[in-house]
Amino acid sequence: DSGVTQTPKHLITATGQRVTLRCSPRSGDLSVYWYQQSLDQGLQFLIQYYNGEERAKGNILERFSAQQFPDLHSELNLSSLELGDSALYFCASSVGGLETQYFGPGTRLLVL
Amino acid sequence: AQSVAQPEDQVNVAEGNPLTVKCTYSVSGNPYLFWYVQYPNRGLQFLLKYITGDNLVKGSYGFEAEFNKSQTSFHLKKPSALVSDSALYFCAVGGLTGGGNKLTFGTGTQLKVEL
Repeated sequence: DSGVTQTPKHLITATGQRVTLRCSPRSGDLSVYWYQQSLDQGLQFLIQYYNGEERAKGNILERFSAQQFPDLHSELNLSSLELGDSALYFCASSVGGLETQYFGPGTRLLVL
Repeated sequence: AQSVAQPEDQVNVAEGNPLTVKCTYSVSGNPYLFWYVQYPNRGLQFLLKYITGDNLVKGSYGFEAEFNKSQTSFHLKKPSALVSDSALYFCAVGGLTGGGNKLTFGTGTQLKVEL
């Protein structure tokens, strides 16, 4: 158990809908990262927050957004969902910098 | 831009034999290298990392990795494979991007350990 929690574990929704994925980092970690894992694109970095502030952006679609709250948990919002958004979404946390990132169990999203 | 290559989609090895999972990297500056393992329907578990220091890095579950700067490689090794080691292994390089940092992953190597 990495200490990173993600909810829900599974999510099934329809195209055009909006969903919110939640992540709680390990105790003491200030950085939260979001990654997407899909068969065609592999594991891709989406976005990083550090102590409530956005720090880095990867190949995150404009339909996707994230935030980190004062208690350091983070939410990833996915809107106007398309079939191609079906993937495993991972949250990771670290103390910051280039320290080890510890991953949560992921949220499996299926868009029908 | 940083990148990682895992040239083998799958590696098969007999239980008790040594295993090697290959990884090469491309970065500007000093490399921060990681290995993670993913079991079915599970998240990524951290195995080991190289930041600086000894070229042979020891990690969890008996795994180790050898950093070779001249060959830009960071191969994962284990002296004696177990059936329970069967999983998907990812090599990753850490790097700065914008005001933060990220991991760039390879495509993964499926390790199958057979009796």
